[in-house]
Amino acid sequence: DADVTQTPRNRITKTGKRIMLECSQTKGHDRMYWYRQDPGLGLRLIYYSFDVKDINKGEISDGYSVSRQAQAKFSLSLESAIPNQTALYFCATSDPKGFQETQYFGPGTRLLVL
Amino acid sequence: AQKITQTQPGMFVQEKEAVTLDCTYDTSDQSYGLFWYKQPSSGEMIFLIYQGSYDEQNATEGRYSLNFQKARKSANLVISASQLGDSAMYFCAMRRTSGSRLTFGEGTQLTVNP
Repeated sequence: DADVTQTPRNRITKTGKRIMLECSQTKGHDRMYWYRQDPGLGLRLIYYSFDVKDINKGEISDGYSVSRQAQAKFSLSLESAIPNQTALYFCATSDPKGFQETQYFGPGTRLLVL
Repeated sequence: AQKITQTQPGMFVQEKEAVTLDCTYDTSDQSYGLFWYKQPSSGEMIFLIYQGSYDEQNATEGRYSLNFQKARKSANLVISASQLGDSAMYFCAMRRTSGSRLTFGEGTQLTVNP
């Protein structure tokens, strides 16, 4: 079984709808992240969490919210989806190890907002 | 602000040959970490290799090696004996300080020809 799972893997929604993307991990890592990837671009950080009580905004948090329900679960919500939120969304996890701290990614969720 | 530059949008290589993917970075920090990830057409992000700024030797992981030139601020990925399965998008990323977020380059699309 995959260490980092994301559900759903694909989602089509309409403008104005609220949707939630979920991430679960069995790696036992404290740190979790949400990124989005747009065609031709690298990944950009939306939110990150270093433990259950710690939530931080990334570089593009507007229009998104998150919830860290447990060490193993980190959800991303789009309160009112808009077409420019169409993207590939990744969840990632890491364990503190100084500079060598490596982030491990889930398989991604492809979101299309019509 | 830190920045990662990958100047090769696309690269082509013959099977069994070596290929170098370029990555330059801009930071005023003395301590940082550099990462390479592979993204095949299926979409997942796969960690390949890590190089610390104070590491005296270039990192190697199987067929992957990192040509790290600190003075030039470059961290090029070298793939030896290319295989068809190496065809993918490759991303260079940097972390400034322990626990800080990764900054990604825009990626290089590698195609391995038979």
